Amino acid sequence: NAGVMQNPRHLVRRRGQEARLRCSPMKGHSHVYWYRQLPEEGLKFMVYLQKENIIDESGMPKERFSAEFPKEGPSILRIQQVVRGDSAAYFCASSPVSGEGGYTFGSGTRLTVV
Amino acid sequence: EDKVVQSPLSLVVHEGDTVTLNCSYEVTNFRSLLWYKQEKKAPTFLFMLTSSGIEKKSGRLSSILDKKELFSILNITATQTGDSAVYLCAVTSGGGADGLTFGKGTHLIIQP
Repeated sequence: NAGVMQNPRHLVRRRGQEARLRCSPMKGHSHVYWYRQLPEEGLKFMVYLQKENIIDESGMPKERFSAEFPKEGPSILRIQQVVRGDSAAYFCASSPVSGEGGYTFGSGTRLTVV
Repeated sequence: EDKVVQSPLSLVVHEGDTVTLNCSYEVTNFRSLLWYKQEKKAPTFLFMLTSSGIEKKSGRLSSILDKKELFSILNITATQTGDSAVYLCAVTSGGGADGLTFGKGTHLIIQP
């Protein structure tokens, strides 16, 4: 069982470019969550998805950020026109059932905007 | 808005000491409280607590929840340098976002 796989591990983008972060949940897990961790801050919830559905995006910035979890393939967190303030570690977690604990985290993608 | 506060924010102790980390919360329709250990990478799951007064143990680590006073503690006995990490507390609730609400973490450093 490979666990939650995130790639890339590190991503450098220039201001104005697009960033695409990928997350493949653990086998058997159909619930995916994205979190952002800024330096010296805790993890902040961004979005919760099930296959082909966004269930809760209350933590997502209203502009430039989007997420999807297609029927086939990994979940994608997309940040358009990145700015320096988007630099952070982005973690994905998956669970077999919503809200029942058992959240398993991936190793994160560290995004640096230059 | 759900809120989780951890204390202390950082702690430095010597190997062999016992430490107690604190987590207090304010949530709507509390469901569970979770503890994670974060070293350089992914937070790794330690405990999930849903009921008051029932201690969960795993080796030198233990945790307990008080739903009346709205807090939890994480104890680590006979600390080792490998325990150095950021310890994160998070809650799930029936109100608000479906994900975990995290505290800022306690940065624990164990000196040899």
